[in-house]
Amino acid sequence: GESVGLHLPTLSVQEGDNSIINCAYSNSASDYFIWYKQESGKGPQFIIDIRSNMDKRQGQRVTVLLNKTVKHLSLQIAATQPGDSAVYFCAENTNNAGNMLTFGGGTRLMVKP
Amino acid sequence: DADVTQTPRNRITKTGKRIMLECSQTKGHDRMYWYRQDPGLGLRLIYYSFDVKDINKGEISDGYSVSRQAQAKFSLSLESAIPNQTALYFCATSDPGQGARGYTFGSGTRLTVV
Repeated sequence: GESVGLHLPTLSVQEGDNSIINCAYSNSASDYFIWYKQESGKGPQFIIDIRSNMDKRQGQRVTVLLNKTVKHLSLQIAATQPGDSAVYFCAENTNNAGNMLTFGGGTRLMVKP
Repeated sequence: DADVTQTPRNRITKTGKRIMLECSQTKGHDRMYWYRQDPGLGLRLIYYSFDVKDINKGEISDGYSVSRQAQAKFSLSLESAIPNQTALYFCATSDPGQGARGYTFGSGTRLTVV
């Protein structure tokens, strides 16, 4: 079946460096993509979203890039901080009748001091 | 108080036992969801409810049932727990007008079936 997935299960970066977390999706009909952050012992929290009519969107220290040609989504975190350590999930909207989400497997980001 | 509260936070139960996980929300949203999270896998949808009289199966509903007691309450039951239902369970509510920004998740219930 169609799914959303991630390339790397764990990413370790030095504090202050930039982080890039990748996600591949296979449903070409998906038109809305989201990144979530999940800290230990907590539920996922919304970070940033992007619609398929865009290829880039920026937030505070985060940027999401969408490449529809290769069905690839990435999350860039600038100047990574220890507080960024968490599991990051991409998700896609799969149902035009409601905001139903399909989640990827998650990438754990570890920030080294 | 949290917007979405799940109880219990942790539970260990024996195979064959019936167990209920409870969820309540103060967001005032009609839509509620139950997800399951396993290591290395994304959240998978078990059941969802778009209003009090609406219940729908998700991707992995076998072995589970739900009850929407009120707009604010949505409980998940395992009628006869089995070890492969050991997982982290999340309840969520959403405001469809806000897309993914409108999702609020609880802190999760860690269930272990022995």
